Amino acid sequence: GQQLNQSPQSMFIQEGEDVSMNCTSSSIFNTWLWYKQDPGEGPVLLIALYKAGELTSNGRLTAQFGITRKDSFLNISASIPSDVGIYFCAGQLKGPGGSQGNLIFGKGTKLSVKP
Amino acid sequence: EAGVAQSPRYKIIEKRQSVAFWCNPISGHATLYWYQQILGQGPKLLIQFQNNGVVDDSQLPKDRFSAERLKGVDSTLKIQPAKLEDSAVYLCASSLRRDTEAFFGQGTRLTVV
Repeated sequence: GQQLNQSPQSMFIQEGEDVSMNCTSSSIFNTWLWYKQDPGEGPVLLIALYKAGELTSNGRLTAQFGITRKDSFLNISASIPSDVGIYFCAGQLKGPGGSQGNLIFGKGTKLSVKP
Repeated sequence: EAGVAQSPRYKIIEKRQSVAFWCNPISGHATLYWYQQILGQGPKLLIQFQNNGVVDDSQLPKDRFSAERLKGVDSTLKIQPAKLEDSAVYLCASSLRRDTEAFFGQGTRLTVV
């Protein structure tokens, strides 16, 4: 089945730093989504990308849908302590009859604060 | 607006026992999902409902897992009998339609000992 490779697995940030993470796949996706999950909570959608090449921002977050439709990246600028958490990419295919297919999630990038 | 409600939040059972999880989606949401999230992994879809009908249950281990959404609102997910590898967080999500954003509940953390 489809698999997403998300990197890095974990990273430490200092407040004010920019952060970058990415997701690659051997399969083509129609939609790329980025979620954040805090401890004890469900994932929350940050950004959705629907077209190859699309670059979308949500506050300090910027994400791009790769031209090949097999990758996506997420950047966080000027990080703050509440950015700590686990970030997941997810790819989605078109299902039968043009409906939305299932979400395939990456394994996550864990963002922690530098000691 | 109330979010997706799940209960219980935590459950510890012995292997071979049975367990059930409950989900109340956001009011008016036709689509309901159950995901399994093993520690250190992303969520994996188990089953998707559209109203009270199953859209996709291809990744549901049907020999031990079952789910229902009888009146197209609340849903229950059951495991019988549980195995050690079923230890995970079980997330319920709902969306207005199949092509709109899914909102997740807080999940039920299951530990099988």
